[in-house]
Amino acid sequence: QQQVKQSPQSLIVQKGGISIINCAYENTAFDYFPWYQQFPGKGPALLIAIRPDVSEKKEGRFTISFNKSAKQFSLHIMDSQPGDSATYFCAALRVGGATNKLIFGTGTLLAVQP
Amino acid sequence: NAGVMQNPRHLVRRRGQEARLRCSPVKGHSHVYWYRQLPEEGLKFMVYLQKENIIDESGMPKERFSAEFPKEGPSILRIQQVVRGDSAAYFCASSPNGGGSYEQYFGPGTRLTVT
Repeated sequence: QQQVKQSPQSLIVQKGGISIINCAYENTAFDYFPWYQQFPGKGPALLIAIRPDVSEKKEGRFTISFNKSAKQFSLHIMDSQPGDSATYFCAALRVGGATNKLIFGTGTLLAVQP
Repeated sequence: NAGVMQNPRHLVRRRGQEARLRCSPVKGHSHVYWYRQLPEEGLKFMVYLQKENIIDESGMPKERFSAEFPKEGPSILRIQQVVRGDSAAYFCASSPNGGGSYEQYFGPGTRLTVT
């Protein structure tokens, strides 16, 4: 029940295209869903996050769509650029619980071809 | 503003030696988390600490691993008698004080290699 399932494992997108990464969770107590971007040899960087009181959040070219009833959320990268090539991790957390541990998905390796 | 700082960035240890990984959180943050990333895998939670207290160590192996976050100084993740399976990237994250603080900011990691 603590798992977060992420797909696809890898993704190749042409420059200017839309990248879509999906995650699903089981624990309905989760109420904070961040996405992290990680470049090789670097630490994960917080990209964008959503709480379940909204169905969509947009920051620049990055959008999170959230479907509470389906227990799914996704990251959309519009106008994908070669500089977006990185590994993306979704995660989930229960705010205000006994612990603030993030449960991570397994990651998606995105390659944006020029 | 300095982010989360970790040192060393790379650490090589022979089997049986001890590894000490240090983490200085964002200034003003008093919540620290350690995560481990095995090659080609996602990040796994290890331990959550506040100043002088371990809040959740459910992800820590029962033996050889320990963590502390003293009143003064950085958080330390200590691995005794390292084995090859301990080779991984270890990331520290910190979050702000206060109830409901949950945004976690990660450091650059320490890449441990056990030979």
